[in-house]
Amino acid sequence: AQSVTQPDIHITVSEGASLELRCNYSYGATPYLFWYVQSPGQGLQLLLKYFSGDTLVQGIKGFEAEFKRSQSSFNLRKPSVHWSDAAEYFCAVGIINTGTASKLTFGTGTRLQVTL
Amino acid sequence: DVKVTQSSRYLVKRTGEKVFLECVQDMDHENMFWYRQDPGLGLRLIYFSYDVKMKEKGDIPEGYSVSREKKERFSLILESASTNQTSMYLCASSLTPAPGQGKFFGPGTRLTVL
Repeated sequence: AQSVTQPDIHITVSEGASLELRCNYSYGATPYLFWYVQSPGQGLQLLLKYFSGDTLVQGIKGFEAEFKRSQSSFNLRKPSVHWSDAAEYFCAVGIINTGTASKLTFGTGTRLQVTL
Repeated sequence: DVKVTQSSRYLVKRTGEKVFLECVQDMDHENMFWYRQDPGLGLRLIYFSYDVKMKEKGDIPEGYSVSREKKERFSLILESASTNQTSMYLCASSLTPAPGQGKFFGPGTRLTVL
């Protein structure tokens, strides 16, 4: 079965500093990979996704992620964090479920705190 | 933009009550999903539906049922609420079954069962 690991439960960075959130997955085939962000009191918003092609994908809000097959990783990065980026970030892997609908398996999330 | 709405942001119910959580999407999406979100556990799939009146169990369906009578509406039902069902419930939809299709999430319903 597929699984997603986000090893960092909580990360604190200073505004303007760079950010990298880690995500490792376990899946037998080429995965469909996603990063979502959840601001306080809000639902999840899709930041970016990868399923083929260039292994470096660009998303919204200045985020990017790099797929590394050899490391089974899909880490999220941002060169300069803004205070408004404080939120919880979820990595997810998508699979087809018996041809009926795709399922997402989520990691446990990383809570980002930004200090001024 | 796709909009996914959930009937309540906060809900307080008593043990044993029947609870309905409603979700509506306005973009004619085929697939709809119910997740629960708990600290340290991330999001876990309860049920999903790929068409009207069609449903499949997710990873944690016990204690829940669902109803999809119309394409735009997907309801989660707790037949007899228990305290361990206190959680944040998130509804999502996607246009197609394709695994690369991103899902659109509603704002969530925070349910407290006393």
